[in-house]
Amino acid sequence: GAVVSQHPSRVICKSGTSVKIECRSLDFQATTMFWYRQFPKQSLMLMATSNEGSKATYEQGVEKDKFLINHASLTLSTLTVTSAHPEDSSFYICSATRDRAEGSYNEQFFGPGTRLTVL
Amino acid sequence: RKEVEQDPGPFNVPEGATVAFNCTYSNSASQSFFWYRQDCRKEPKLLMSVYSSGNEDGRFTAQLNRASQYISLLIRDSKLSDSATYLCGTDSWGKLQFGAGTQVVVTP
Repeated sequence: GAVVSQHPSRVICKSGTSVKIECRSLDFQATTMFWYRQFPKQSLMLMATSNEGSKATYEQGVEKDKFLINHASLTLSTLTVTSAHPEDSSFYICSATRDRAEGSYNEQFFGPGTRLTVL
Repeated sequence: RKEVEQDPGPFNVPEGATVAFNCTYSNSASQSFFWYRQDCRKEPKLLMSVYSSGNEDGRFTAQLNRASQYISLLIRDSKLSDSATYLCGTDSWGKLQFGAGTQVVVTP
């Protein structure tokens, strides 16, 4: 299967700081990457869909100015949590697909996740 | 109403027994369905895809009921290593919608 990495795996930061999380597809070019957030005992919630070279599409209720997404290349997408607060503490997971025909589904390969704790 | 709903469990299953649980979905236009396994503090890993009426892979069987809009997962001959949370996912125009997961605990 395809390999997706995330860095860092765990981060603890003070309230008000910004945190950048990287998602890389290691052995394939990912035209589309997805960012999810998961709170304890809850489902994975899609935050945004990121396409290389274009602006991310955010899900309803997700603040685009707080969660900055940059998909600068076919193998790298970054999520920056700006001015993080304790309520942003969560498990952030990215996934990547090789290609995505409109209206169709291609398997998503998940990164190992980043656990963010904001003090 | 949530787009995908699952019984959170936990389902406590003796080793060697069979366990089955369902996932209901609200989007009748969904075409693809998935079962993922998620271990504690880890990312989800694809267990199986369900595109037609069902799919079987070893001890795992998934069935799709479009009329009632649910998919099921059955695990036969449960192993201790099957203990995990099982997430149901459906596609919605290329995006995955997940349920909150069903926890399965296999006991010796």
